[in-house]
Amino acid sequence: DTGVSQNPRHKITKRGQNVTFRCDPISEHNRLYWYRQTLGQGPEFLTYFQNEAQLEKSRLLSDRFSAERPKGSFSTLEIQRTEQGDSAMYLCASSLGTTGGLFFGSGTQLSVL
Amino acid sequence: GEDVEQSLFLSVREGDSSVINCTYTDSSSTYLYWYKQEPGAGLQLLTYIFSNMDMKQDQRLTVLLNKKDKHLSLRIADTQTGDSAIYFCAEIPNTGFQKLVFGTGTRLLVSP
Repeated sequence: DTGVSQNPRHKITKRGQNVTFRCDPISEHNRLYWYRQTLGQGPEFLTYFQNEAQLEKSRLLSDRFSAERPKGSFSTLEIQRTEQGDSAMYLCASSLGTTGGLFFGSGTQLSVL
Repeated sequence: GEDVEQSLFLSVREGDSSVINCTYTDSSSTYLYWYKQEPGAGLQLLTYIFSNMDMKQDQRLTVLLNKKDKHLSLRIADTQTGDSAIYFCAEIPNTGFQKLVFGTGTRLLVSP
């Protein structure tokens, strides 16, 4: 296992379309996080899973966003009816606990036209 | 609020030391982290420090923590052009669940 894997790396979509991103965490990690990063900013927390349970969601996560981690392994983040303001880098991270830090994937860069 | 503050930009010459500073908000944060991000890439965990420590050294990296002032710094010795990147500090605030809160990042530019 070489680390956290995210697909696709880049996604270009038209406003109003739905998009789905996938994250495969490091295999023994039970915690999975989604963050969003816009240009010139640090990553902002979106949501957190422990195993298959979604334990926390940020206020940034509007009802157009949904995340799942059905079997406690990979996770998907879906954005419905995309808006131009959704354009950002979506980062996934995983950890065993938090004391050792989070390990991030390379991200999915979303551009909404 | 949960604002972690960093200076935006630092420029140094190759071979010099770099010091990147960060001020965090939650005095009860137990762990503090430094991440590195290269263009178009995700974040790479560089090092972290437990709040009961004042200093941690890891090869060319030295982390200093001043809990009283809630100030964290990262010193990179013998800075190389490959160190050019954005550096983020992050804390885990005592909010009842575990998430990292990041600063806005410091862009380090190393010139030959």
